[in-house]
Amino acid sequence: GAGVSQSPSNKVTEKGKDVELRCDPISGHTALYWYRQSLGQGLEFLIYFQGNSAPDKSGLPSDRFSAERTGGSVSTLTIQRTQQEDSAVYLCASSLGSGYSEQFFGPGTRLTVL
Amino acid sequence: QKEVEQDPGPLSVPEGAIVSLNCTYSNSAFQYFMWYRQYSRKGPELLMYTYSSGNKEDGRFTAQVDKSSKYISLFIRDSQPSDSATYLCAMLMFDYKLTFGKGTLLTVNP
Repeated sequence: GAGVSQSPSNKVTEKGKDVELRCDPISGHTALYWYRQSLGQGLEFLIYFQGNSAPDKSGLPSDRFSAERTGGSVSTLTIQRTQQEDSAVYLCASSLGSGYSEQFFGPGTRLTVL
Repeated sequence: QKEVEQDPGPLSVPEGAIVSLNCTYSNSAFQYFMWYRQYSRKGPELLMYTYSSGNKEDGRFTAQVDKSSKYISLFIRDSQPSDSATYLCAMLMFDYKLTFGKGTLLTVNP
């Protein structure tokens, strides 16, 4: 079946602009995660959605970052007033549930802020 | 000090060599230990996971966990050029937040 898909695959933007990154999880997966992968920092947890529960936003680096998940499926990560340090690969993952449930990753969106 | 430490390499080996990849961690609350493989421009994919101390084998891959030393390893036997990738260790407590090492870039030369 189809895996996790993300769009766009690449995004180049100017400092100060807002960007939206989209994630389509695997059908039937109730849990969705966003991670950021940057040089020197590795892969860092950003936010977690599970069903209708309140999301865990503890990994978001600043209030410029927000995410929503509509209808328990598609998710959008929004970065407002982008900064150069936001340049990274943003990865989305989904899983059947929480706890130890294998997380399947999408290919990521490579964001470059000029 | 980061919770998970992993030597970023790069590591370059000839085809057929045995590869050893390692991570150390500081948080004894970690319960699940995983190895992910990430090819260039792709998302990570789960290779192996283990819960307890000891060894777990899957084909050419062996994962080893030593909770007393807070040390995990991944061994690759008879390495192949197709094994060239970044290998990430990851750890989980009884929740959902994976904590990753920075990854080790491996190149297997034909």
